[in-house]
Amino acid sequence: SQQGEEDPQALSIQEGENATMNCSYKTSINNLQWYRQNSGRGLVHLILIRSNEREKHSGRLRVTLDTSKKSSSLLITASRAADTASYFCATESGGATNKLIFGTGTLLAVQP
Amino acid sequence: EPEVTQTPSHQVTQMGQEVILRCVPISNHLYFYWYRQILGQKVEFLVSFYNNEISEKSEIFDDQFSVERPDGSNFTLKIRSTKLEDSAMYFCASIARRGARTEAFFGQGTRLTVV
Repeated sequence: SQQGEEDPQALSIQEGENATMNCSYKTSINNLQWYRQNSGRGLVHLILIRSNEREKHSGRLRVTLDTSKKSSSLLITASRAADTASYFCATESGGATNKLIFGTGTLLAVQP
Repeated sequence: EPEVTQTPSHQVTQMGQEVILRCVPISNHLYFYWYRQILGQKVEFLVSFYNNEISEKSEIFDDQFSVERPDGSNFTLKIRSTKLEDSAMYFCASIARRGARTEAFFGQGTRLTVV
């Protein structure tokens, strides 16, 4: 798999349910970030988890990181129709530039 | 809240024409990036820029592409002779500094359509 692959590719849930998206990567990382993208719009940073952290919370978001499995998950609790968007994980592996390598994304549809 | 702004939001150009995409990063940021996203596909790294020079570029960023920060604020991506496959959303991003806690701030993107 490529650096940063999410599954599922698409997820449809009802409002109020929880949504879980997974991300796998291949190389060692400094941190992993999750971004949200509304259709045709820019990327909005949601949360960053460092390589020495295992879990992080921000509002209704919960991110986990398992560096031994090179995987991360994003949980959105009590989803709302406004959460409908694409969600991307992105890894930052250090080096000279702090560039981000993005995953393939999960398209989340929350039905009202 | 500070934001990265990109212009134009949408650009349509003839194949073979030159285009310049413009970005105004957040003023105290030091590292600048261009990414592109072909419709329905993943966001791909093109180039990073620091201290007025390219610090890293991907294999996508060939001789047809160039970047500049001509006046210390604007950050531009130029495509010299556009091809149909250059049609994509182009995103500019900036970060304040290197380090484990840095997040990237992205602009809203420029949708480039090559016809």
